[in-house]
Amino acid sequence: NAGVTQTPKFRILKIGQSMTLQCTQDMNHNYMYWYRQDPGMGLKLIYYSVGAGITDKGEVPNGYNVSRSTTEDFPLRLELAAPSQTSVYFCASEVPRGNTIYFGEGSWLTVV
Amino acid sequence: AQTVTQSQPEMSVQEAETVTLSCTYDTSENNYYLFWYKQPPSRQMILVIRQEAYKQQNATENRFSVNFQKAAKSFSLKISDSQLGDTAMYFCAANVGGTSYGKLTFGQGTILTVHP
Repeated sequence: NAGVTQTPKFRILKIGQSMTLQCTQDMNHNYMYWYRQDPGMGLKLIYYSVGAGITDKGEVPNGYNVSRSTTEDFPLRLELAAPSQTSVYFCASEVPRGNTIYFGEGSWLTVV
Repeated sequence: AQTVTQSQPEMSVQEAETVTLSCTYDTSENNYYLFWYKQPPSRQMILVIRQEAYKQQNATENRFSVNFQKAAKSFSLKISDSQLGDTAMYFCAANVGGTSYGKLTFGQGTILTVHP
């Protein structure tokens, strides 16, 4: 049971480039989330999804896009990368009312 | 909007002693959940303890316990018999509401250092 898997773990982007952070969970969880953690700060919600085909914005969605075509996958797309998007990105999932949120190990992104 | 505040950027404690990390929150929800997460240098997010707001009894998990004061909107974490492995960043978090517990609002974090 792999849990929540994020790829890549580390990436350096140039300003203006685009990339996709992949997130996959094998626990058949309906709810999935993307958070970002800036240096010395707590996590902030970017986007979330309550099931395949359903996504919604969190606190800091600007500069990102998501899709949810399957229950397992919830990729996060960065368009036109900016230095302000340098952060650690966490994907998470849970069963509704499950009381337990499972986090991935994080993806370190640096935009230069 | 929901807010979570941790007023202690850094704390230190001697091994085997007890330390308390503070957290206050503000929410208009009547039913909500509060969490403490541990983040070691690996950046892994580890759930330490969880409290349901409608339960008056304070949650306890082995050496970790909370002091939940609903009226004061306070949710502190007490770590007893501190161990070197407890050294980490600790985050207080609250759910935004509804059926989803993953829509969390996090505090700024407290760096805890346990000294031998």
